[in-house]
Amino acid sequence: AQSVTQLDSQVPVFEEAPVELRCNYSSSVSVYLFWYVQYPNQGLQLLLKYLSGSTLVESINGFEAEFNKSQTSFHLRKPSVHISDTAEYFCAVTPTGAGSYQLTFGKGTKLSVIP
Amino acid sequence: NAGVMQNPRHLVRRRGQEARLRCSPMKGHSHVYWYRQLPEEGLKFMVYLQKENIIDESGMPKERFSAEFPKEGPSILRIQQVVRGDSAAYFCASSSFVDVETQYFGPGTRLLVL
Repeated sequence: AQSVTQLDSQVPVFEEAPVELRCNYSSSVSVYLFWYVQYPNQGLQLLLKYLSGSTLVESINGFEAEFNKSQTSFHLRKPSVHISDTAEYFCAVTPTGAGSYQLTFGKGTKLSVIP
Repeated sequence: NAGVMQNPRHLVRRRGQEARLRCSPMKGHSHVYWYRQLPEEGLKFMVYLQKENIIDESGMPKERFSAEFPKEGPSILRIQQVVRGDSAAYFCASSSFVDVETQYFGPGTRLLVL
C-alpha cells in the first residue's frame, strides 16, 4: 500500500515570491508520481508527472518538481508565483508495473498568492 | 479534443433515493477510474474499469455502490438508497492504453443528499 503526506495544508505567499509545496510518500514498491492542481469547484488538472528518466520534471507554466528516491519526496517548486496560481495542489502516486493504476492522493495544499 | 465529460455537474437527492453519475472518457481512452472527494480530504480511489470489466473495486463501499462501463455509452456510478454521508464530489478519470499511468480528470459531480 502507498501513502502520501503533504506537510502543509495551507501556504500563503506574496506575488512574485518563490514557493515550495512539499510531498513525501511511503511505498514498498516503485511508484510513479504526479502533481495535480484544482481550481475552486473544478476538476483536477495534471500539472506534471515523473514516470522515468530525469528526476527533474517541469510544467508549461513554470512549476517544477524533483523526484528524490532516497528521501521519498517529490516537492513542487516555482521561482515566482502569480495570482492565477492560487489553487489547491495535490500530490499523488501509483505503483509501477501491471495491475491497477489507482492513484493515492495526499490531502492537498492550498496555495494562496497575496497581491 | 474533448476532455473527460461528467454529468450532471450537480445532483441533489433526498435520503433513500438513487443517484446515477455518468462519465464519458476522453476520446481513445479505454480505462476509467472513479474517485470520491470528501470535504477537506484528498481524493479516494473507488473503482477502476475497462470496457465491460471491473478491474479493481477495492475502494468501493460493499453496499449500495456499483459501477459499470458498458461496451457502448458512458461509465455509470450508481448509488442506491443514498445517505447524507454520500454527499461528496465524485470525479471520473480516464487513461489510454499507451499511457495508462496518466489519468485525466473530469470536472466532477457534486452530490448533495438532503
